[in-house]
Amino acid sequence: GAGVSQSPSNKVTEKGKDVELRCDPISGHTALYWYRQSLGQGLEFLIYFQGNSAPDKSGLPSDRFSAERTGGSVSTLTIQRTQQEDSAVYLCASSRLAFASYEQYFGPGTRLTVT
Amino acid sequence: GQQVMQIPQYQHVQEGEDFTTYCNSSTTLSNIQWYKQRPGGHPVFLIQLVKSGEVKKQKRLTFQFGEAKKNSSLHITATQTTDVGTYFCVSTTNAGKSTFGDGTTLTVKP
Repeated sequence: GAGVSQSPSNKVTEKGKDVELRCDPISGHTALYWYRQSLGQGLEFLIYFQGNSAPDKSGLPSDRFSAERTGGSVSTLTIQRTQQEDSAVYLCASSRLAFASYEQYFGPGTRLTVT
Repeated sequence: GQQVMQIPQYQHVQEGEDFTTYCNSSTTLSNIQWYKQRPGGHPVFLIQLVKSGEVKKQKRLTFQFGEAKKNSSLHITATQTTDVGTYFCVSTTNAGKSTFGDGTTLTVKP
């Protein structure tokens, strides 16, 4: 079956503009995660959704970042008034359940460059 | 929250040599997962450890979970060029929050 997909694969934007990143999880996966990975760095946890529960937003770096998950499926990560430090690869992952016993399947990521 | 420290940050080995990366936490972990990220790729799940003292093997890879469930290791025997990449340990709480270690980047010289 299809894996996790993300769009766009690359995004170049000017400082101050808003961007939307999309994630399509694996069908039937109830948990969805967003991470940020700067060049040569580890993964920074941003937010996760579990079914229809309120998301844990504690990892979002600032109030310029927000995320939605509509209908328990597709998710959108929005960054408002982008800054150069927002440049990174944004990875989405899904798993069957947001419990420790289920592996996360990652999408290919969106490479965001803020000029 | 849970934090996992991973060492070393980088490891360069000659093909055929062994490699080990270590993951440590100051708190007891409910589980530990290991992922591999090839250069330019995304993380791919390798294994999960749940039980105290658990040891699992996948061909040349051996994964261990410490008795106190505060540390874990990944050991690769006789590295090959295909082992190149960054290895991450990950702790996930039952609430769903994941904490990735900083990763160990392995390079293998043929």
